[in-house]
Amino acid sequence: SSELTQDPAVSVALGQTVRITCQGDSLRTYYASWYQQKPGQAPVLVIYGKNNRPSGIPDRFSGSSSGNTASLTITGAQAEDEADYYCNSRDSSGNHVVFGGGTQLTVL
Amino acid sequence: QVQLQQWGAGLLKPSETLSLTCAVYGGSFSDYYWTWIRQPPGKGLEWIGEINHSGSTNYNPSLKSRVTISVDTSKNQFSLKLSSVTAADTAVYYCARGDVGATTGGRYYYYYIDVWGKGTTVTVSS
Repeated sequence: SSELTQDPAVSVALGQTVRITCQGDSLRTYYASWYQQKPGQAPVLVIYGKNNRPSGIPDRFSGSSSGNTASLTITGAQAEDEADYYCNSRDSSGNHVVFGGGTQLTVL
Repeated sequence: QVQLQQWGAGLLKPSETLSLTCAVYGGSFSDYYWTWIRQPPGKGLEWIGEINHSGSTNYNPSLKSRVTISVDTSKNQFSLKLSSVTAADTAVYYCARGDVGATTGGRYYYYYIDVWGKGTTVTVSS
């Protein structure tokens, strides 16, 4: 399969921990990358590889993977983390790129 | 710091050809996949296709018959053409830089998009 599946919406209380998941066959071979997108803005890479954060991304963002499921964890969610989050990888053939449908995160 | 600057027509009529160009400033042009992604209003991200510096392309199978991505290495630019557009092609179009590699031992691979253009809103309307 070339698809990545995400829950459409997740909510978290301010300061609590939230996990956003992404499932797909390609994740058995590829680490997922994760992007944060706020309204009217281009996506921003927050996690890539096994668990790497680009410069400037807070360390409350972390990534993990098991089998066909990748997870983005935000430990101590802040109000500014409210956004859409997308996972991404190449498909199992390696010839195409796939995105998950996105998860809308609400910080309560 | 790498920056992508994109431009192109923002309003098209049905059946016309969408044409966008993205210029790469800073960094290496030869080590990455240069990528086009779009996002319809209120919807998620859709990969359109990619090209490397040597001109090798990969396209989304759902768009392949209408898409052409080309590269001009002399200008560090790459371009997108999407033919026979309809209202369904209305979206924000992003150019971006993709990177792919393998972990030590080759057990796992990684792919990520680390640089994005600001996006161009393209509207298809008669």
